[in-house]
Amino acid sequence: QPALTQSPSASASLGASVTLTCTLSSGHTTYSVAWHQQRPEKGPRYLMKIVSDGSHDKGDGVPDRFSGSASGADRYLSISNLQSEDEADYYCQTWGNGPGTVVFGGGTKLTVL
Amino acid sequence: EVQLLESGGHSVHPGGSLRVSCVVSGFTFNDYVMGWVRQAPGKELEWVSDISGSGGSTNYADSVKGRFTISRDNSKNTVFLQMDSLRVEDTAVYYCARSGDQLCLGGKCYPRFFDHWGQGTLVSVSS
Repeated sequence: QPALTQSPSASASLGASVTLTCTLSSGHTTYSVAWHQQRPEKGPRYLMKIVSDGSHDKGDGVPDRFSGSASGADRYLSISNLQSEDEADYYCQTWGNGPGTVVFGGGTKLTVL
Repeated sequence: EVQLLESGGHSVHPGGSLRVSCVVSGFTFNDYVMGWVRQAPGKELEWVSDISGSGGSTNYADSVKGRFTISRDNSKNTVFLQMDSLRVEDTAVYYCARSGDQLCLGGKCYPRFFDHWGQGTLVSVSS
């Protein structure tokens, strides 16, 4: 079963850019990952899926400011021109090849200064 | 527009039972694996259970196996989570989610990534 590691927190200034990292566990470094945004007191929102080659598919209505990439075991979510509404928790998620293999990372709390 | 709307969350005592529901619209319901994901207060997301489009394949997290039962009524575009023998540690917001893609092996289908979510329903277990 794969595992995901995320930094607990990140911060950046309004209008700046930030990159969040999600690291896949050993033996699962080729897995795809999905990123979800959760604003305070709201349900999660799917942002995008990132494949091991860095290609990504965004969800409906996700702004162009959000992009994804990959390198080795790391899957990145980059946000440019940060807005106040980007302040949220960001979770990565992956899945294995069988039952009961959906896994979430611990989440990164992004603060927009 | 895809919409998922959960209901049924409530306060219950330990050992009690509760059924939460999720009504969906905007897509062909029986084409998709559906899942339940929960979030305890201040904690991360935790996958709980999922069910194939036909309802013939179900999966559960070890923490709820034998106590929770997922089901669906494709004629009513609704997925359910029956929760029995509830524990204090089951306290969480329960989210319904659609799997954007699925892996099918040996006639059983499993979720991949969740691409649409509901707003959640709060289940509180306390004495």
